[in-house]
Amino acid sequence: DVKVTQSSRYLVKRTGEKVFLECVQDMDHENMFWYRQDPGLGLRLIYFSYDVKMKEKGDIPEGYSVSREKKERFSLILESASTNQTSMYLCASSLPQGVANEKLFFGSGTQLSVL
Amino acid sequence: AQTVTQSQPEMSVQEAETVTLSCTYDTSESDYYLFWYKQPPSRQMILVIRQEAYKQQNATENRFSVNFQKAAKSFSLKISDSQLGDAAMYFCAYRSARGQNFVFGPGTRLSVLP
Repeated sequence: DVKVTQSSRYLVKRTGEKVFLECVQDMDHENMFWYRQDPGLGLRLIYFSYDVKMKEKGDIPEGYSVSREKKERFSLILESASTNQTSMYLCASSLPQGVANEKLFFGSGTQLSVL
Repeated sequence: AQTVTQSQPEMSVQEAETVTLSCTYDTSESDYYLFWYKQPPSRQMILVIRQEAYKQQNATENRFSVNFQKAAKSFSLKISDSQLGDAAMYFCAYRSARGQNFVFGPGTRLSVLP
């Protein structure tokens, strides 16, 4: 069965800490995404990657960076965590656009609290 | 930029009844895809239904169907014979045929009353 795995379900960090959120997919998908989910705002795209070492900024990239050294792994990095980065983070993957029945597959999310 | 609007933050439905969730979107493109995703309390997002804009026929998946009105840029989800397991957040999403990104609406929280 298709699987997107996020390393932590819950995470508590201190302001100023460097935070790594890891995501691994086992479907050999080219595309991987990091979304942030906040009540009333839905899912907002932080970054996405369409190939190894390739990345593009989404709608809210400020304060975040990403790394994709291997096809199956996409990491989200908070260089210096702040309280306004407290949120639910969702990783997703997909085949390239144009593939029949292409859709997003999601991980189960990481609830990050920055104190 | 494309935007997706869901005007109903919360809705409720009686078990076995029918409910319709609204979604509108804004785009200048003619070729795109629309999706409804469900997020139950487990937080695992699940695809409910997918619609290609070039298809006039409305998509259906068992008890779930859509009313796709391309000219009005409307994409509503109808859930028939509602079940307790349908209680969840429902997100409408758009993807351009030319792009890789998915744009999501703010979500509608659906409660199912026994």
